[in-house]
Amino acid sequence: NAGVTQTPKFQVLKTGQSMTLQCAQDMNHEYMSWYRQDPGMGLRLIHYSVGAGITDQGEVPNGYNVSRSTTEDFPLRLLSAAPSQTSVYFCASRSTGTGFYEQYFGPGTRLTVT
Amino acid sequence: AQSVTQLGSHVSVSEGALVLLRCNYSSSVPPYLFWYVQYPNQGLQLLLKYTSAATLVKGINGFEAEFKKSETSFHLTKPSAHMSDAAEYFCAVSPPIGTGNQFYFGTGTSLTVIP
Repeated sequence: NAGVTQTPKFQVLKTGQSMTLQCAQDMNHEYMSWYRQDPGMGLRLIHYSVGAGITDQGEVPNGYNVSRSTTEDFPLRLLSAAPSQTSVYFCASRSTGTGFYEQYFGPGTRLTVT
Repeated sequence: AQSVTQLGSHVSVSEGALVLLRCNYSSSVPPYLFWYVQYPNQGLQLLLKYTSAATLVKGINGFEAEFKKSETSFHLTKPSAHMSDAAEYFCAVSPPIGTGNQFYFGTGTSLTVIP
């Protein structure tokens, strides 16, 4: 299993540009989520999904869109990039079945907005 | 609502000394608890997890954590620090089954190991 994969690893955008961060998992997990990590602030939840066709907002959703058309994929779209969106972005997935459910993380995408 | 507090954003220990990273949670019912480690420029890796089966949980790389309901704590320890333990450590809480899906992370503790 590849686990959770993210592309690209690095990206530089100019203010106002749009882009999509890709996330895929091959573990058949129902739950997928996007976090951003900023120094001193830990991980903050942007959006999450509990299954195909179902998404919801997290703690910091403004400026980001998501969709979930398949179980495997959960892309994150930046509509009009701003310098405040410079961050490291992590995608994660987990099962929501009975028993115990840890999250599995991708390697991250480091985004710089100039 | 769930929340997690990690006391000490930076902890320094000497190589071979005890590592103690603190985590307190806020929850009306005992949740599931996790410790993750993040090495520089990498994603998060699970160290250990509490599932209510045993209060003392052993994880990878010699780490362990003890769940103390009376203190609402889940502190991470390692008897003897190694240089390779230098990393960022995150405590996280997840509600019990059927009450939600979200994880709540602490703000992290950066561990420095001094040779």
